Amino acid sequence: DIVMTQSPDSLAVSLGERATLNCKSSQSLFYSSNNKDYLAWYQHKPGQPPRLLIYWASIRDSGVPDRFSGSGSGSDFTLTISSLQAEDVAIYYCQQYYTSPRITFGQGTRLEIK
Amino acid sequence: EVQVLESGGELVKPGGSLRLSCAASGFTVSSYGMSWVRQAPGKGLEWVSGISSSGGNTYYADSVRGRFTLFRDTSTNTLYLQMNSLRAEDTAIYYCAKDRRATAGPPYYFDSWGQGTLVTVSS
Repeated sequence: DIVMTQSPDSLAVSLGERATLNCKSSQSLFYSSNNKDYLAWYQHKPGQPPRLLIYWASIRDSGVPDRFSGSGSGSDFTLTISSLQAEDVAIYYCQQYYTSPRITFGQGTRLEIK
Repeated sequence: EVQVLESGGELVKPGGSLRLSCAASGFTVSSYGMSWVRQAPGKGLEWVSGISSSGGNTYYADSVRGRFTLFRDTSTNTLYLQMNSLRAEDTAIYYCAKDRRATAGPPYYFDSWGQGTLVTVSS
């Protein structure tokens, strides 16, 4: 199975500042036949179901604020929140689907307000 | 409005069985791949099982293969997870999740999740 490793495990950022969350896969998630990276990002708040933010590494899902952006390719990916809002406090997970149906998640990054 | 609603979680003894349900509304389960994803206490998300949109293929994590069975009833638009030979390590919140894409094949990424149902395996 592909192992997804997120860093840092937790992150504290001031309101209005940029938050950068990283995700590294144990093998490339890039499929050359369609030029796509098979990676998604989710936001998970306590007591709520996970919310899809990003798929194909950089495509925002409908309704996701544009302060959220995904970047990277191959084995290294980044979720950036350009200006942190109070409602962004959550745990963020990356997920690979390159080996779908055997998908795997990262261990999560806990994002807090400094 | 697209929704999924899980039910069936409860306290069960090791070695016991349980059947989880996932009632879908606002879409038909025969048009989308679906999966069950669980979260053990204090842990992250773990994919458990999935089904293709055609229903012809089901998939399982190694940790549950041979013990769990995923199936669906298209007449009631409901997904099920039959869980046998339960172990303490199966204790978790179980989420039902819908693939974002209305395509054939296994699910990739999930845009609709239920609130989850808690399964506790303990003597």
